[in-house]
Parts: sequence; structure tokens; C-alpha cells
Amino acid sequence: NAGVMQNPRHLVRRRGQEARLRCSPMKGHSHVYWYRQLPEEGLKFMVYLQKENIIDESGMPKERFSAEFPKEGPSILRIQQVVRGDSAAYFCASSPQGQANYGYTFGSGTRLTVV
Amino acid sequence: AQSVSQHNHHVILSEAASLELGCNYSYGGTVNLFWYVQYPGQHLQLLLKYFSGDPLVKGIKGFEAEFIKSKFSFNLRKPSVQWSDTAEYFCAVNAPDSNYQLIWGAGTKLIIKP
Repeated sequence: NAGVMQNPRHLVRRRGQEARLRCSPMKGHSHVYWYRQLPEEGLKFMVYLQKENIIDESGMPKERFSAEFPKEGPSILRIQQVVRGDSAAYFCASSPQGQANYGYTFGSGTRLTVV
Repeated sequence: AQSVSQHNHHVILSEAASLELGCNYSYGGTVNLFWYVQYPGQHLQLLLKYFSGDPLVKGIKGFEAEFIKSKFSFNLRKPSVQWSDTAEYFCAVNAPDSNYQLIWGAGTKLIIKP
């Protein structure tokens, strides 16, 4: 079942290091969304990408965070110089079209812990 | 800013009990509403969704939800829960003027005692 694959499932980084989170969308899906879930909070939208394009990054912190979805390969969420406040679960979802109405397909998430 | 409230963060029930999880949203315009579930160790899955029409929506695994516009609510129900329903349940609504961005509640962790 080629669903949305996220890796790693768990990632531990020391403060100041870089974190790279990967997301391979479901086969046939060209729209990818990243959400972040802080402890005891709901998921918060970060960024929406199509192949090679960032459509909406209004939920991304202005500094240290970047995302890409290259023509070949997975989507990458990159966090530079991580801080303790970046500890969270990061979820990736994909859809065949750019509409939530069709229902996202989610990955299992990457749990980032910054120590 | 639009928000989604889930009233209970943790719910513990015995098998065969009836379930109702509350969800309220703040936006007064046209809304699309969703319930997602995350079973332990698994990814988020869509339980059911409401766009228009019959306000009583039936989803997978015996779940249903009722959209009450006057109360800005979309509560999730199941008449008789099973141990396998142990999971975290999330309510979500589309952001205003967006057909792809969802606003999420904080989730309700449901534990079913065998």
C-alpha cells in the first residue's frame, strides 16, 4: 500500500543542528502539505507545495524553516539551527488535487525532539 | 481568527458505551467539516466529512456526525464503542477562503476499557 511515507519516524537533534524531514506523497498525488502539531495543540498548517512550486507558505516561520518538493524525489522540510521550541510532530499529507474536500492522505508523522 | 474547539482532551469509556465527542468552530460562513482519527502508531485517517446536504453524516466504522449550523457544532457519535476505537480523534474545518487549508482542533484521546 503506497501511502504517504514519512521518514524518519523519530528524530532527535541537539540545539543548533539541522533537521531534515522527508515526505513521499501517495502515488499519483502531486500536492503536498506540511502541518505541525505542538504538544496539546491541534495541527497547524505550514506550507503547501506542488511539484517544484511553493503555493502557500503562510504558516511557515520566517526564519530557519524551508520546504521543497523537487521534480524528482520526496518533499523535504528543513529546519536549520533547531531550538527546543521546534520539538513537535510534523505531518505530511498529499492529495490528487489542491483541495482538502477530497480528503488528505496523511503520513504517520515525524516526531522531532530537540535536546 | 477561525478556531476549532474540542471540549474533551481525554475520554475514557467502557466497551458498549455510547460516545459523543464535541466539536465547535468559530467561523460563520460556508464550512466544510471533517473528523480524522489516528490509531496508535498509525497515520491520520479520514472518518467522515460534511460539505452540504443532509446534516447527519455517516462515516466508516459506525461513526456519524451531525452538523448543527445554529450551534456551530459538528459532534461525532457512535452508539456502541469497541476496544478497537481507542485512538485520538481530530475535528477540522476548512480555513476561510481556502479550499486546501484546514484548521484543527487539539484532539481528543479516547481510551476504551475492555
